[in-house]
Amino acid sequence: SQQGEEDPQALSIQEGENATMNCSYKTSINNLQWYRQNSGRGLVHLILIRSNEREKHSGRLRVTLDTSKKSSSLLITASRAADTASYFCATRIQGAQKLVFGQGTRLTINP
Amino acid sequence: EADIYQTPRYLVIGTGKKITLECSQTMGHDKMYWYQQDPGMELHLIHYSYGVNSTEKGDLSSESTVSRIRTEHFPLTLESARPSHTSQYLCASSPYEGQGYQETQYFGPGTRLLVL
Repeated sequence: SQQGEEDPQALSIQEGENATMNCSYKTSINNLQWYRQNSGRGLVHLILIRSNEREKHSGRLRVTLDTSKKSSSLLITASRAADTASYFCATRIQGAQKLVFGQGTRLTINP
Repeated sequence: EADIYQTPRYLVIGTGKKITLECSQTMGHDKMYWYQQDPGMELHLIHYSYGVNSTEKGDLSSESTVSRIRTEHFPLTLESARPSHTSQYLCASSPYEGQGYQETQYFGPGTRLLVL
């Protein structure tokens, strides 16, 4: 199965609510990154958290990393319609010079 | 928005045709990548490059080939397109970030390919 697996696969919430997405992985990593993809477009890098970090913030984004559980979460606070997109976690596996992407969470923000 | 460009954005062609998908970046990044992505699915790495004259195959077997003659240019070629090649192709690049490659990637807008 995939190195990175997101949960849930799809999430629909009301504007203003918080959205939480989770990512689990299997092997040791150097870092974990979250990307956003709007429909039919390329991916946009949101945030990177290193393996020795536990939490990171960027604007309305909060990312946590638990290396003992091999999992990460992305929290988007006070969601907006413009946050509607697919969100992917990507892991840089130790010793590898590339990223492995999960299958993504499709987030829909209802006005 | 990242300075990475892909052309064409959409391509509809017949089986057996040779096609080249173009990717250019103006950020001076050494590393470049090609991914294949079906709608709503994960990205699969098909090729990557560490720099000029360096190309490597990715995790997903692909009948495409790539070249890296200039730092800014990383075209992908299919010698004979088939319906199974129908997909979205995403190009990305990555900078050296002082302590090494964190692999933060900057993506182009993608090329949607339909082979009839």
